Amino acid sequence: AQSVTQPDIHITVSEGASLELRCNYSYGATPYLFWYVQSPGQGLQLLLKYFSGDTLVQGIKGFEAEFKRSQSSFNLRKPSVHWSDAAEYFCAVGPRGAQKLVFGQGTRLTINP
Amino acid sequence: KAGVTQTPRYLIKTRGQQVTLSCSPISGHRSVSWYQQTPGQGLQFLFEYFSETQRNKGNFPGRFSGRQFSNSRSEMNVSTLELGDSALYLCASSIGQGAYEQYFGPGTRLTVT
Repeated sequence: AQSVTQPDIHITVSEGASLELRCNYSYGATPYLFWYVQSPGQGLQLLLKYFSGDTLVQGIKGFEAEFKRSQSSFNLRKPSVHWSDAAEYFCAVGPRGAQKLVFGQGTRLTINP
Repeated sequence: KAGVTQTPRYLIKTRGQQVTLSCSPISGHRSVSWYQQTPGQGLQFLFEYFSETQRNKGNFPGRFSGRQFSNSRSEMNVSTLELGDSALYLCASSIGQGAYEQYFGPGTRLTVT
C-alpha cells in the first residue's frame, strides 16, 4: 500500500534558524512528489514538486527539497526561516498518470521570535 | 488568473440530510480532485474527474458521489450525512492527468450536527 510518513508532528525553530522537515514514502515505483503548506483555515499551497530529473528542486518562498531514491525520502529544507513560515506542512506522493495524492499526516511548524 | 473557488465556504447540516458542494477549477484546467481533511484521518482522496468522467475513486462509502460538467466545474454530494462527515472538503484542479501539479481551493467547512 502506498503511504507517506512525516515523522515529526510538531517542530519548533527560532526565527533565522535553518529548517528540515522529513518525509519518507512507500510506493511501488518512483512517484511524483510534492510539498504543500497550509495556514490555519486555508487551503493547500504548493511549495514545490518533483517529477523527474535533478533530484534537488527549488520551490517558492526559499524552500528546496531533495529526492533520495535509495532512502525513499523527499525532505524539505529552508536555510533561514521567517515568522511567516509558521504553518502546517504536508508531503504528498502521486502516481504517474493520475491526480490522486496520498498525503502524510503533516508537520506543524512553530517559529520562536 | 483566478484560483480554484469553492462554494459554500461554510455549511452546517443535520444528520440524515444531504449536501452538495461546488468547485470551479482554474480556467483551462480539466482535472478536478476532491479530498476530505479531518483531524483524525488527515487528508484523504475522495475522487478525481477528468473530461466529465470519474477516473479514480478513494476508499469512501457510496454516500459520497460527484460529477463534473462540460465546463470542468465539479460538484460532490454526500447523502445521509453522519457526524463523522464533518470535515474540510478540499477541491484541487490540474491541467490534466500526468505530470501536472494540483492547485487547491480554500475548502468548504462542513459541520454535521
